[in-house]
Amino acid sequence: GAGVSQSPRYKVAKRGQDVALRCDPISGHVSLFWYQQALGQGPEFLTYFQNEAQLDKSGLPSDRFFAERPEGSVSTLKIQRTQQEDSAVYLCASSPTRTTTNEKLFFGSGTQLSVL
Amino acid sequence: GESVGLHLPTLSVQEGDNSIINCAYSNSASDYFIWYKQESGKGPQFIIDIRSNMDKRQGQRVTVLLNKTVKHLSLQIAATQPGDSAVYFCAEKKKRIQGAQKLVFGQGTRLTINP
Repeated sequence: GAGVSQSPRYKVAKRGQDVALRCDPISGHVSLFWYQQALGQGPEFLTYFQNEAQLDKSGLPSDRFFAERPEGSVSTLKIQRTQQEDSAVYLCASSPTRTTTNEKLFFGSGTQLSVL
Repeated sequence: GESVGLHLPTLSVQEGDNSIINCAYSNSASDYFIWYKQESGKGPQFIIDIRSNMDKRQGQRVTVLLNKTVKHLSLQIAATQPGDSAVYFCAEKKKRIQGAQKLVFGQGTRLTINP
């Protein structure tokens, strides 16, 4: 595809439900990031993959959050037992490099998660 | 602690005028800065970046200025157009250490262009 694709675009979950958010990065991009953006705030880092390796997960807010990228392309962010404070837009971004020299990220449009 | 913030949450300018969006950062170890534009319902879009060994960089209608002495970053947009209406974020990245791949974003400034 032409850009980073995320699905679903909107997700409504009842408190306690598990959700899975999908990210299709730009083909061939090595680096993949997940960010969480609360309403009216800037994106906050969650986790980073270089190919299939999860090199940094320091931003995941709790052990209910889990991300994977098993084949180094598509990534899934899973949130277990969702809570109201998980409501936010979840952004995925990819980059063609390992981010040591070029940090230009290409963002998807995000998944807006609402937990009721 | 580290923080990237903006002086003004909103900015309104007349179409055709120049606009300046400001950003203050507190981490002197940051060596890379980026401005992103985010339109409603979309993800952030890269505008321009600058490394800490520079104090000015120009793009098409945009200029980024970096003042490391006072830890201040600004984005200048020349001859603003209606399509420039969006929220603008500055982001910083520290010198790379193990695991420090992430960008730290500020809260954002909403720019509105009046006809």
